[in-house]
Amino acid sequence: DQQVKQNSPSLSVQEGRISILNCDYTNSMFDYFLWYKKYPAEGPTFLISISSIKDKNEDGRFTVFLNKSAKHLSLHIVPSQPGDSAVYFCAASEPNAGKSTFGDGTTLTVKP
Amino acid sequence: DVKVTQSSRYLVKRTGEKVFLECVQDMDHENMFWYRQDPGLGLRLIYFSYDVKMKEKGDIPEGYSVSREKKERFSLILESASTNQTSMYLCASSRWGGFGGYTFGSGTRLTVV
Repeated sequence: DQQVKQNSPSLSVQEGRISILNCDYTNSMFDYFLWYKKYPAEGPTFLISISSIKDKNEDGRFTVFLNKSAKHLSLHIVPSQPGDSAVYFCAASEPNAGKSTFGDGTTLTVKP
Repeated sequence: DVKVTQSSRYLVKRTGEKVFLECVQDMDHENMFWYRQDPGLGLRLIYFSYDVKMKEKGDIPEGYSVSREKKERFSLILESASTNQTSMYLCASSRWGGFGGYTFGSGTRLTVV
């Protein structure tokens, strides 16, 4: 039973436009959500997170939205840049658990 | 610059060999993790550790063991390597509670022939 799902394996957008990456979860105990970015031949790097007490968190061009009732979160990248092309992983964890459950990833391609 | 260092970027081992993957972090993090990444399967947790000499099984521990004798070092051991253990192995560390996310190493691409 996959508790964190990223239903779109890939996404392609034009440079300057908005990229929206989606993630759904099934475990209602999750209270902390994270996004990671991964380039080929490198480990993932932490991008942005959100606690369940919030519904939005911004960091520069990156915004994460959380809809707890729908068990859904999304990552918005505005404006998208070619350097944003990477695999994006959604992750979630239970209170004070430390360990995260990851989705399968979405490959974002930003075309110049 | 804080980091997680994995001892090898690429390894080729024979079926049946005992394989050691080493990971060291310099951030004084309590938590350390081993994941494997396979196409279409995302990141799957093998083992994790909350403290020295403590270990917990993840989602796919079969065929693996771990050792954490020092806070900064977390080793993954493949007792008898098999071809289905060919994968990218990622080590990570985090603070207690996981806030601020994981810091990952660059990964070890293991091929078992």
